[in-house]
Formats: sequence, structure tokens, C-alpha cells
Amino acid sequence: DAGVIQSPRHEVTEMGQEVTLRCKPISGHDYLFWYRQTMMRGLELLIYFNNNVPIDDSGMPEDRFSAKMPNASFSTLKIQPSEPRDSAVYFCASSFLQGSGNTIYFGEGSWLTVV
Amino acid sequence: SQQGEEDPQALSIQEGENATMNCSYKTSINNLQWYRQNSGRGLVHLILIRSNEREKHSGRLRVTLDTSKKSSSLLITASRAADTASYFCATSQGAQKLVFGQGTRLTINP
Repeated sequence: DAGVIQSPRHEVTEMGQEVTLRCKPISGHDYLFWYRQTMMRGLELLIYFNNNVPIDDSGMPEDRFSAKMPNASFSTLKIQPSEPRDSAVYFCASSFLQGSGNTIYFGEGSWLTVV
Repeated sequence: SQQGEEDPQALSIQEGENATMNCSYKTSINNLQWYRQNSGRGLVHLILIRSNEREKHSGRLRVTLDTSKKSSSLLITASRAADTASYFCATSQGAQKLVFGQGTRLTINP
């Protein structure tokens, strides 16, 4: 299995530009998560989906952020317009329900720098 | 807000020594997990302990859970240089939502 695949791995963009991060979860997983990691705030859960449906988006910072999952094998996280404080590593992760516990599999992250 | 808080924030030991990291959390949980993150990489699952378990082993890893104190510890025995990484605890409060702590940065000196 290829694992969770994220693109781009690195992106540098100017303030005000639109940023789209992409994710392909592990085949067969029915949960998909978007996390953001910064030195100041650690690892924050932004949103997660179950069977392509958003379940909890309470971690999405503001209206500039949006996430979609049009099918079981693809999700996007979009920032429009981007700001320097959005600079962070964005992780996509996936899992499947297994008993009383779920192991989350992370991608390698998308390193975003907004200048 | 963070549910788990790791202690210490950073730990530096000599190769071969044991490393112990602690995690405290605030609310009741279904399970607690530990993950490792190597520099510049994604997190990797290490071990899961359920709320009705007190201790679990996996290779050189030993995890304990004390639900009365809302705390957990991760012990890595006979540390190796390759164990250098950040270690995170994560708690599940239901559904599939995992909340991570701030992590402990472990450095193993050769």
C-alpha cells in the first residue's frame, strides 16, 4: 500500500493567493482527517470526514479555509486568500473504524509558506 | 484546545539508556495512543492502550495508563540513535476524533 499521499510537499506562495492542498487516503479507509502543525499551536485537527461527509469542522480557523471530499479517494483543503499566519505543515491522515480504537495513518505533510 | 500534555517537552539521554515520557489529559477517554514523528515526516502510530487496560508492551515500548490520575507513560528501553524523534500522545473521546498533545522531543546521544 502506498500510504496517504499528499501534494504538494512544499509550497511557497504570496499573501492573498489561493492555495490548494491535495490528499489521497489509503484505499478502504472511511475516515479522512486534515491536521495543521505549527510550533506555537502544535498539531490541530481542522476537519474530518466519514464516508466523504464532513463530520466535524470545528477546527477550521475561519471562512478562508474550506475542505472537500468529492469521492473516497480524494480530498482538498483550500485556503483563499492565504495569509502569512497560515504558514504551517498540513497533514492529511486516514483511518478505518476498528473496534474501540482507530489507528490514524498520516501522510508526509504539505509544507506551506506564505510570504 | 490540547487534550494531552506531554512531559518533559524535551529529553536528551545517552544511547542504551531508557527514556520515559509522560502524558496527562483532562477528560474521560476511550483509548490513548502514542505516535512518533521523525524530523520533517508525518506521524507514525506506535501503540494504543484502551481505557480498561493498565499496561501494554510492544517490543522495546512499554505504555502504562492510569485513568484515575488521567495520565499515561511511554517507556523506551535500551534506546538507540534511531529513536531520536518527537513523541506525541493522542486521546480519543469518542467517534474517531483524536486530539494530540504538544509532544516530547527525544534526543539519543551516541
